[in-house]
Amino acid sequence: DAGVTQSPTHLIKTRGQQVTLRCSPKSGHDTVSWYQQALGQGPQFIFQYYEEEERQRGNFPDRFSGHQFPNYSSELNVNALLLGDSALYLCASSSSGRITNYGYTFGSGTRLTVV
Amino acid sequence: DQQVKQNSPSLSVQEGRISILNCDYTNSMFDYFLWYKKYPAEGPTFLISISSIKDKNEDGRFTVFLNKSAKHLSLHIVPSQPGDSAVYFCAASDRGGSYIPTFGRGTSLIVHP
Repeated sequence: DAGVTQSPTHLIKTRGQQVTLRCSPKSGHDTVSWYQQALGQGPQFIFQYYEEEERQRGNFPDRFSGHQFPNYSSELNVNALLLGDSALYLCASSSSGRITNYGYTFGSGTRLTVV
Repeated sequence: DQQVKQNSPSLSVQEGRISILNCDYTNSMFDYFLWYKKYPAEGPTFLISISSIKDKNEDGRFTVFLNKSAKHLSLHIVPSQPGDSAVYFCAASDRGGSYIPTFGRGTSLIVHP
């Protein structure tokens, strides 16, 4: 049973460019959350998608946007990249039927470097 | 302002001894707490959790203690094994936040053989 799959694993972009990261949730999960983990920091919540809509959002600017598709997969888009956007981006999936979040399954992340 | 704090960035322990990882939180609305473990090049994996109605939860070698009055929780690993070497994240959540976890910065545990 595949867990959460993220692509690409590594990415280098130039300041000002736009990037799209992709996530396929664990089988049976319908909710996708995105986190940013900067070096030496814990994961910071960006937003959560459920039923193709953004359900919750953390303290991130509008440059960060997302999408969820009918098959529950998700994309994270970041526009006008800044050097400070360099981080590990983690996708986590869960089942909407479980309010306790031990149901979160994380992917291995996409390492984004902005130069 | 960090709502979940792990003030020890690293901890070194001898194999077979106890590892104690600490976590403090500031938001009194938090009512569900978790520990995640992360190996390099992998995503965090859930380890153990505790609800605010309890003060202790045990799962094999791992025990989490919660002191609500002090807004403090700790993870005990007994006995520690070299395979436990990883970064441990404390996380907290609440119903008002749809139980979306807020993470600490993590503590890197190294267990020496």
